[in-house]
Amino acid sequence: SQQGEEDPQALSIQEGENATMNCSYKTSINNLQWYRQNSGRGLVHLILIRSNEREKHSGRLRVTLDTSKKSSSLLITASRAADTASYFCATSPSGNTGKLIFGQGTTLQVKP
Amino acid sequence: NAGVMQNPRHLVRRRGQEARLRCSPMKGHSHVYWYRQLPEEGLKFMVYLQKENIIDESGMPKERFSAEFPKEGPSILRIQQVVRGDSAAYFCASSHLDTANTEAFFGQGTRLTVV
Repeated sequence: SQQGEEDPQALSIQEGENATMNCSYKTSINNLQWYRQNSGRGLVHLILIRSNEREKHSGRLRVTLDTSKKSSSLLITASRAADTASYFCATSPSGNTGKLIFGQGTTLQVKP
Repeated sequence: NAGVMQNPRHLVRRRGQEARLRCSPMKGHSHVYWYRQLPEEGLKFMVYLQKENIIDESGMPKERFSAEFPKEGPSILRIQQVVRGDSAAYFCASSHLDTANTEAFFGQGTRLTVV
């Protein structure tokens, strides 16, 4: 079964607007990670949030984690056309040391 | 410090042939992971290796697929007797600790097409 599920599946916004993507998961976790993938390319790591953390920031990125609801959100502020990509959340399940379970991703389009 | 290097970037094989995908992890990383991505989908975990050891192969198909990470040289994902359903992008990732404790760094992937 799918561990991470992103919402929405697709998002289209204007440059300068904020973009929010959500991720839900099913089991307890060690951490949750967000990655970006440009079309046809590899994944770029954005941010890792541990299960005992609630919020993390990195530049224009803000990630929150609510372990009671088993959900996370990624906020990109002041979006740019270069932010156009697919965004994936990935969870490291508790009791497992190597596997990351990815969601289906959110496709973000930022229009100039 | 070069990133995770995968080769080839694109690989075309006829049904029944063997495919060998190579992955050189980032310098200093001893943990290697392989994932498969079908079009418009997320990545699916296949296998987790440390030098000379398979730690978790719960995502590997039982037949035709194998992986290794020898003491010297790159990690290899081997697919024997390929079928059309094996067509996908295969990504390798590496980390200096396991992903329960740190992020993974991904290569650009190998896109396998079976004709």
